[in-house]
Amino acid sequence: QQQVKQSPQSLIVQKGGISIINCAYENTAFDYFPWYQQFPGKGPALLIAIRPDVSEKKEGRFTISFNKSAKQFSLHIMDSQPGDSATYFCAASWNDKIIFGKGTRLHILP
Amino acid sequence: EAQVTQNPRYLITVTGKKLTVTCSQNMNHEYMSWYRQDPGLGLRQIYYSMNVEATDKGDVPEGYKVSRKEKRNFPLILESPSPNQTSLYFCASSSRGGMNTEAFFGQGTRLTVV
Repeated sequence: QQQVKQSPQSLIVQKGGISIINCAYENTAFDYFPWYQQFPGKGPALLIAIRPDVSEKKEGRFTISFNKSAKQFSLHIMDSQPGDSATYFCAASWNDKIIFGKGTRLHILP
Repeated sequence: EAQVTQNPRYLITVTGKKLTVTCSQNMNHEYMSWYRQDPGLGLRQIYYSMNVEATDKGDVPEGYKVSRKEKRNFPLILESPSPNQTSLYFCASSSRGGMNTEAFFGQGTRLTVV
C-alpha cells in the first residue's frame, strides 16, 4: 500500500522523440505527486509536480498526466533532447511522508 | 544562494568506526530528511525532522541516528557502520508542509564501509 511502482527501469529514446515514464500508487491518501530529475553526481531536483485535483500539468516540454481513478500518473517529455538524459524519480506524498519510485534511467540518443 | 550542503562528499571508513555526515540548509526550512540511494531501490527515507527537537523514523532507520538541535543542521550519525550501509546518501529540506512541497537536495555523500 505504501509502494510507488515506476516503469520502465531504463529507457532509450531518439532525439526529438517522446519519452514516457509511468508510475502507479495504491494509497489514496497521497495528495502530491512530484517528479524529480537527477543528473550524475548531483542530488535530485524537482522537475514538475501535480496535485490530484487536476488531470494534467504542463511546463514547457514536460507534462504530467494524472489518472486518479486508475491511481496512475506519467511523465511525458516532448521533443526529447540529449540534455534530458538523467534519472527520473516519481514520488507520492502526504503530510510528512513521501515514497519514491525506484527511478528510470533515461538516455536520449543524439 | 539557496542550498543544502552535505559534508563530506566522499567517505571510506571501516566497520564499527563511528561517523557523522553533516547537513546544513540556508533556507530556514522546517522540514529536513535523510535518504539513501541504492541501485534498483531508488531513494529510501531514513529519518526526517519536522522541526527543532522533532525527529521521526522513515522507512529504513536501522543503524542510523539523527539530531536536530538547530533549525539549519540535521546530522546523520552511524554509531557502528557496517558494509550494508555502503550507499549514496542525500539530505533534503523543504518548507512547512513537509514533503508536500518542493524538496531541495544536497549533492550527496558517497559512503563506503569496508
